[in-house]
Amino acid sequence: DSGVTQTPKHLITATGQRVTLRCSPRSGDLSVYWYQQSLDQGLQFLIHYYNGEERAKGNILERFSAQQFPDLHSELNLSSLELGDSALYFCASSGGTNNSPLHFGNGTRLTVT
Amino acid sequence: QKEVEQDPGPLSVPEGAIVSLNCTYSNSAFQYFMWYRQYSRKGPELLMYTYSSGNKEDGRFTAQVDKSSKYISLFIRDSQPSDSATYLCATYNQGGKLIFGQGTELSVKP
Repeated sequence: DSGVTQTPKHLITATGQRVTLRCSPRSGDLSVYWYQQSLDQGLQFLIHYYNGEERAKGNILERFSAQQFPDLHSELNLSSLELGDSALYFCASSGGTNNSPLHFGNGTRLTVT
Repeated sequence: QKEVEQDPGPLSVPEGAIVSLNCTYSNSAFQYFMWYRQYSRKGPELLMYTYSSGNKEDGRFTAQVDKSSKYISLFIRDSQPSDSATYLCATYNQGGKLIFGQGTELSVKP
C-alpha cells in the first residue's frame, strides 16, 4: 500500500458530463501529481501541485482543471467529457524535494459512454 | 524523438530465468532514474531509484545506468510467476517532470 488514496475507483458517465476525481496524498507529502494512462499513450503527466500551488503543467486539456486544498488533498475536474477521455487517472505524491520518486495511488478508471 | 523509449514487449520467460528490461533516453543531462512495476488494475509501484551511473541491487532486482550510451536496465534474477506485470522506466526531464517509458509487459511462466 503506497499510502495514496484515490476515489472513486470506477466512474462511468456520458459524453458532455463533468466529473471530479479525488486524491489524498501520503501523510507528510506536500506534492501531488496527476497522470493519465491510456493504452496508446502510456502514462502522461497532467499537472503538479506543491503545498497548494500549481508547479508544473503537462499536456493537460483546457477542459481539465485541478486544485490542491489546505489539507493537501487534491481534486481533478474533467468537464465536457469526450469518449477519448476514457482512461485511468492516477494521482501520485512525493515529499516535495526535487527529483524525488513518486508514490502512486491505484487510480480511477473513467469510462465515458 | 521520445524522451524515454521502451520496448513494449510482451516478454515471456520460464520461471527461474534472468530477465533483462531496457530503456533508452534522449538527453545526457538526465540523472535520476526509476523503475516501477504495475500489476493489472493497480497503480505503479516504485521498485528502484538510482542517481547517475552505476548499479544498484535490491534482492533479486538490479538496476543499471549507462550514461555513455543513455541506456538503463533492470535485471530480475530467479524470476517468479509473481513478477508477471508491466515494468515502467522513468526519469526526470529538464523541465522537472517525471516521464515514463511505454512499459514492458512481462509474463513469467511456471
